[in-house]
Amino acid sequence: GAGVSQSPRYKVAKRGQDVALRCDPISGHVSLFWYQQALGQGPEFLTYFQNEAQLDKSGLPSDRFFAERPEGSVSTLKIQRTQQEDSAVYLCASSLGRGGSGANVLTFGAGSRLTVL
Amino acid sequence: DAKTTQPTSMDCAEGRAANLPCNHSTISGNEYVYWYRQIHSQGPQYIIHGLKNNETNEMASLIITEDRKSSTLILPHATLRDTAVYYCIAAGGTSYGKLTFGQGTILTVHP
Repeated sequence: GAGVSQSPRYKVAKRGQDVALRCDPISGHVSLFWYQQALGQGPEFLTYFQNEAQLDKSGLPSDRFFAERPEGSVSTLKIQRTQQEDSAVYLCASSLGRGGSGANVLTFGAGSRLTVL
Repeated sequence: DAKTTQPTSMDCAEGRAANLPCNHSTISGNEYVYWYRQIHSQGPQYIIHGLKNNETNEMASLIITEDRKSSTLILPHATLRDTAVYYCIAAGGTSYGKLTFGQGTILTVHP
């Protein structure tokens, strides 16, 4: 497709359940990012892939959060044993991944809104 | 990345120019100024970026002061669809998409 596609758009989980959020980036985009956006706040960086390599996971809040991109295209963000504080919108973004100023020109998906009860 | 400061909210009349300010007094020489916006229930959308020269594209203009300590995003003829949160971000080429969004400015365009 023309844009970044995320699914599901909405997910309700009971505390303690595992969830998986999917991101389908723009075809040919080398770099892929996950951001977390709490209600009323700006997005916060979680992790970054270049092709299948996870180059930065410094923003992942705990070891319950895990992201993968095994074939360098589709990515999955997995949250194990969800807690109420995990409730947020999870945004995926992709970019061509070239250096210079264009490296920070990201195309975002609409996000997956996770609510943990 | 350098910290940026923006007003919490602004209003603008439809059809008028919207001028959104941003302070980035600690910006370093290799950092660019990026603007994104986020319309309700959507992901952020890239608008424009610049280093030290003024920039213009089909969406907006970016004016950066000579000392690079502040900038202004200009939407020349605001429409109701421009109502959104606008984020000003300072980042270098080595940030590789790891952006610090902050709180942004809530722009409300009124009929």
